[in-house]
Amino acid sequence: EVQLVESGGGLVKPGGSLRLSCAASGFTFSSYNMNWVRQAPGKGLEWVSSISSSSSYIYYADSVKGRLTISRDNAKNSLYLQMNSLRAEDTAVYYCARDPSPGKYYNWFDPWGQGTLVTVSS
Amino acid sequence: EIVMTQSPATLSVSPGEGATLSCRASQSVSSNLAWYQQKPGQAPRLLIYGASIRATGIPARFSGSGSGTEFTLTISILQSEDFAVYYCQQYDNWPPLTFGGGTKVEIK
Repeated sequence: EVQLVESGGGLVKPGGSLRLSCAASGFTFSSYNMNWVRQAPGKGLEWVSSISSSSSYIYYADSVKGRLTISRDNAKNSLYLQMNSLRAEDTAVYYCARDPSPGKYYNWFDPWGQGTLVTVSS
Repeated sequence: EIVMTQSPATLSVSPGEGATLSCRASQSVSSNLAWYQQKPGQAPRLLIYGASIRATGIPARFSGSGSGTEFTLTISILQSEDFAVYYCQQYDNWPPLTFGGGTKVEIK
């Protein structure tokens, strides 16, 4: 069974840092492009970042560029999101989501993890 | 950036009835459009990609149509488990990948 399990969320003060992880299982992680998508409380979905299977290509939303860094460790079947200089508007549930097929960018998301909540507040 | 606009924001429907949800793109996205369903407290689930192709395991009562800038998700006969929020997402021109604001389908 394909599974994505996020962890690392929590309460952090403005300006602080946090590192999210996404543990993948049930598929050949190293073959798939991966993504982070977030959802502020009561709001819609916002794409955050994408990383190619070999980490050669990385993309960010303008709202997080320079503050959030996506990375992956294919040996550990894990995706990461390093979050620095956090702001109140970064408060959201962060989902990791897989590209649906290996090899090329399809850019829709299937499946999704269950999400981890990041709260930025003093 | 391509802006996705969904309407209506809320749709009140009785079980057993049909529902039609709309999604409009600010510029053509060809058929590069996906639909997701999200229930309270759950992650989104892929329903449709390529504007009209049902994802694995999605019931036939869900259908997608459209191309260019106008898209529709139709739920033919609403069942209790279909009451949820639905999002469209374009993947034609990126970054960024963009979502619509969502349509909540609620019980009438």
